[in-house]
Parts: sequence; structure tokens; C-alpha cells
Amino acid sequence: AQSVTQLGSHVSVSEGALVLLRCNYSSSVPPYLFWYVQYPNQGLQLLLKYTSAATLVKGINGFEAEFKKSETSFHLTKPSAHMSDAAEYFCAVSEEGWADNTGKLIFGQGTTLQVKP
Amino acid sequence: KAGVTQTPRYLIKTRGQQVTLSCSPISGHRSVSWYQQTPGQGLQFLFEYFSETQRNKGNFPGRFSGRQFSNSRSEMNVSTLELGDSALYLCASSLGPGQGYNEQFFGPGTRLTVL
Repeated sequence: AQSVTQLGSHVSVSEGALVLLRCNYSSSVPPYLFWYVQYPNQGLQLLLKYTSAATLVKGINGFEAEFKKSETSFHLTKPSAHMSDAAEYFCAVSEEGWADNTGKLIFGQGTTLQVKP
Repeated sequence: KAGVTQTPRYLIKTRGQQVTLSCSPISGHRSVSWYQQTPGQGLQFLFEYFSETQRNKGNFPGRFSGRQFSNSRSEMNVSTLELGDSALYLCASSLGPGQGYNEQFFGPGTRLTVL
């Protein structure tokens, strides 16, 4: 069964500092992995996705993530935080294309990123 | 291209009532998935529809149901509302099967409050 664990429900960084949001997954088949961002009172916006091509994935707004199969991890990073990055971030896994898992994303519990001036 | 739209954006109901939420997918998208978001349980998959057929269902009681129309628009219904049904309900659309991975695009959600 698929599952996603995000380590740390709240992360606080100073503006300009490195952002590191952690995500570990469990999947019995090769997964697709995603990071979404949610701003208050809005839906989810896709930051980046891993779909079995390059293990280092670059996304929007300067974010990137690296798929590490040996560690079952897909951590999100950004070299320099900006005030506008303050939001909630969700890691998700999909086994799209496999029976019983179509159209279904499994989400982690989310990490709230606070950026201090 | 217009994004995923959901109506209404906010809804207040009382226990025991029923509610219908609507989702219009991105033009050309034929698959619609629904999710419930609560502070306690996070984001949970409700169900997915493609070509007017439910393809997958999450672990929710039968009070939660949905349907999809021939134009791919989808509705979900919750009957006999309970306080715990208060949540943000998110709809996501994608192209559908046979397209490799189907990226899901999310709408802004419907905020349901049950009093």
C-alpha cells in the first residue's frame, strides 16, 4: 500500500536561507511523486513531479527535488527562501496506471513553511 | 485555457441535510477526482470518474457519492450531513487513462461548514 510521510509539520526559515522539506514514501510499485503548494483559501498548485525520468527534478519558483530510491525519499529544496514561499506544502504519491490506483493521489500530512524576515 | 472551477465556493448546512458540489474540469480533460481536506485527516481521496464511470473509490461511507456527466462535469453529493463532514472539498481534473501519468489540476475547492 502506498503511503507518504512528511517529517515536520512546521518548518521555519529566515528569508534567504535554504529550504528543505522532507518526504518519504512507501510504494510497492515504481511510483510517481509530486510536491504541491497550497496558499490560504486556495487549491493545490503543482510545484514539480517525478515520473521516472531524471532523478533530480526542477520545478517552479526555484524549487527542486531529488528522487532517491535507496532512501525512498523525495525531499524538496530551494536554495534561498523568499517571503512569498510561506505556504503549506504537500508531498504526494501516485501509482497511476496500476489497477485500483487510477486517478488517486496519496498525500502526506503537509508541512507549513514559515519564512521570517 | 480556463482552469478547474468549483461551485459554490462556500456552503453552510446543518446536520442531517444533504449537499451537492459541482466541478467543471479543464476543457479536454475527461477524468475528475475528488478529495476531502480536513485539519485532522489531511487530504483524502474520495473517488474518481472517467467517461461517466466511477473508476476508483476511497474509504468513505456510502453517504458520499458522485457522478459525471457526458460533458465531463462532475458533482458530488453528501447526504445526511454530519459535523465531521465540515471540510474543504477539492476537485482535480486530468486527461484520463492511456496518457501515461495524468497530471491532476486542482480547483480552488468548496468550503463546507456543517452546523
